[in-house]
Amino acid sequence: DARVTQTPRHKVTEMGQEVTMRCQPILGHNTVFWYRQTMMQGLELLAYFRNRAPLDDSGMPKDRFSAEMPDATLATLKIQPSEPRDSAVYFCASGQVGQGSYNEQFFGPGTRLTVL
Amino acid sequence: GQSLEQPSEVTAVEGAIVQINCTYQTSGFYGLSWYQQHDGGAPTFLSYNALDGLEETGRFSSFLSRSDSYGYLLLQELQMKDSASYFCAVRDLSTDSWGKLQFGAGTQVVVTP
Repeated sequence: DARVTQTPRHKVTEMGQEVTMRCQPILGHNTVFWYRQTMMQGLELLAYFRNRAPLDDSGMPKDRFSAEMPDATLATLKIQPSEPRDSAVYFCASGQVGQGSYNEQFFGPGTRLTVL
Repeated sequence: GQSLEQPSEVTAVEGAIVQINCTYQTSGFYGLSWYQQHDGGAPTFLSYNALDGLEETGRFSSFLSRSDSYGYLLLQELQMKDSASYFCAVRDLSTDSWGKLQFGAGTQVVVTP
């Protein structure tokens, strides 16, 4: 049963610390998405990759956030330095996307981040 | 830009029918998706409409009217396990954003005994 995995599932850290979140997309999927979910802002797209190339990271605060995909089995989202306003659930999703057809996104379980 | 509107909350009793409406404004529309999310869980795909009309999948159906920029999700024979948030999402038509989804704020469905 293929699924997206994310680590860690929960993270509590202090303001100013670096946070790294990892995602393993479903094997064979060509597109990986990073979302952030909060009560106030809902589900926001931070960045996404197709065939490991970054397509759009306009939703991400550039000064502190960075997203990479070092290989096809790993996507990372880093926050440095973290701030209390970054507290949220961060979801990774993957899909096999092609123009002209719909492809659903498969979400991982999320990383619940709390910055004190 | 894009914007989606859906009600914030709907309450209904077990066995009832609930319709969640979604209106959208987008510069490029490809299709309307629906996702379900239980408390503490991840969003999961329910349905997708690219063409006008009704798509039925078991107790859930989704409808789209492209001319009205409107769609809805219909939940029939409500069960307690259907208590969750339901999100509509629009797929961007831009060629450099294949698969990119813009999500609505979500509708909290509360099913009571």
